[in-house]
Amino acid sequence: DVVMTQTPVSLSVSLGGQVSISCRSSQSLVHNNGNTYLSWYLQKPGQSPQLLIYKVSNRFSGISDRFSGSGSGTDFTLKISRVEPDDLGVYYCGQGTQYPYTFGAGTKLELK
Amino acid sequence: EVQLVETGGGLVQPGRSLKLSCVASGFTFNNYWMSWTRQAPGKGLEWVASITNSGGSTYYPDSVKGRFTISRDNAQNTLYLQMNSLRSEDTATYYCTRDGSYGWFAYWGQGTLVTVSS
Repeated sequence: DVVMTQTPVSLSVSLGGQVSISCRSSQSLVHNNGNTYLSWYLQKPGQSPQLLIYKVSNRFSGISDRFSGSGSGTDFTLKISRVEPDDLGVYYCGQGTQYPYTFGAGTKLELK
Repeated sequence: EVQLVETGGGLVQPGRSLKLSCVASGFTFNNYWMSWTRQAPGKGLEWVASITNSGGSTYYPDSVKGRFTISRDNAQNTLYLQMNSLRSEDTATYYCTRDGSYGWFAYWGQGTLVTVSS
């Protein structure tokens, strides 16, 4: 199985600041078709997860351009700029290149 | 607006069965793959099952293969998860998702809690 390792486990940020979350996979996430199926999700307190980014860097419908994804192969990053109160929660990366689909353990974003 | 509403969760004894349902609305159900993902209390996300738009193919991780069955009724816009031989480690909130291609989960339901305990 592909192991997804997220760092850090938790992150404190000031409103208006910028943060980066790292996600590394134990195997390359490049699919045979050439695409890379790495996605990012945010789970706000008491809510279901929501999709932010798919295929490394594509923002999902309605997602602010303050969120950006980058990376390739086994090394990926989610950047959040101008952090707002509504951005707080747990961020997960996930891979859909290979079965079984797997997720990272999550990164909790808190206010400093 | 895409809506996914899960039902069927509850308290069940180890070894027993439970069937979850997810009613979809706001999109053409038979155009999309669908999945179930779960989250144990205070823990992370675990993919449980996926099904193609026609229902012709299904996929599972080893942790539930042979015990869980995903199915769908495209006429009723409903997704199901039949869970047999339940174990305490199956205790989780189960989310129904509408998928993008290749394992990203575009829309999530509110979840239904399954508790396996004697």
